[in-house]
Amino acid sequence: DGGITQSPKYLFRKEGQNVTLSCEQNLNHDAMYWYRQDPGQGLRLIYYSQIVNDFQKGDIAEGYSVSREKKESFPLTVTSAQKNPTAFYLCASSKERGAYNEQFFGPGTRLTVL
Amino acid sequence: AQSVSQHNHHVILSEAASLELGCNYSYGGTVNLFWYVQYPGQHLQLLLKYFSGDPLVKGIKGFEAEFIKSKFSFNLRKPSVQWSDTAEYFCAVNSNAGKSTFGDGTTLTVKP
Repeated sequence: DGGITQSPKYLFRKEGQNVTLSCEQNLNHDAMYWYRQDPGQGLRLIYYSQIVNDFQKGDIAEGYSVSREKKESFPLTVTSAQKNPTAFYLCASSKERGAYNEQFFGPGTRLTVL
Repeated sequence: AQSVSQHNHHVILSEAASLELGCNYSYGGTVNLFWYVQYPGQHLQLLLKYFSGDPLVKGIKGFEAEFIKSKFSFNLRKPSVQWSDTAEYFCAVNSNAGKSTFGDGTTLTVKP
């Protein structure tokens, strides 16, 4: 089955530790995205990548970092600089770069920082 | 900067009632608008989209949305809701560069 895989589903970390969230897609999509979802605040864009080895900051990139070394993978690192990292993180992909393409979403990872 | 505003945070309807969820956007370029839905326990998925042409677009499960350029709106409608429409609904706008902005979402509860 084609789709987007995010692992793990739940993640716990101690304050001050960096943590990397995994996102893999086998849809052969060019573009990938990371969102943060908090109650009542919808989805906020953290980073997006339209092509391998290139990515752009979204609206709330501070305290996060990404890489896009392979087309199918777009890991997100939540660094200790992120002031409020506890949240639900969603990864998405779309077929091509540009405005016209719908996004396909993964199941999400719920990160809790203790 | 682009932005999306969804006015209704939580809507409660009885089955067979008509639905309209408001969405207003702000973006200076050519608009590409989307409605996504998240059913309980499922992934976010596309409901419908508008790029150009007929401003009334139809999506899955009997949903439709109307793009009104003069009002910067893209409201979602369904003539008769079902219990299975209970979900969270998100309006989104894509910029020409491919950046997406989502609204805060509207939770719809349909009572049987």
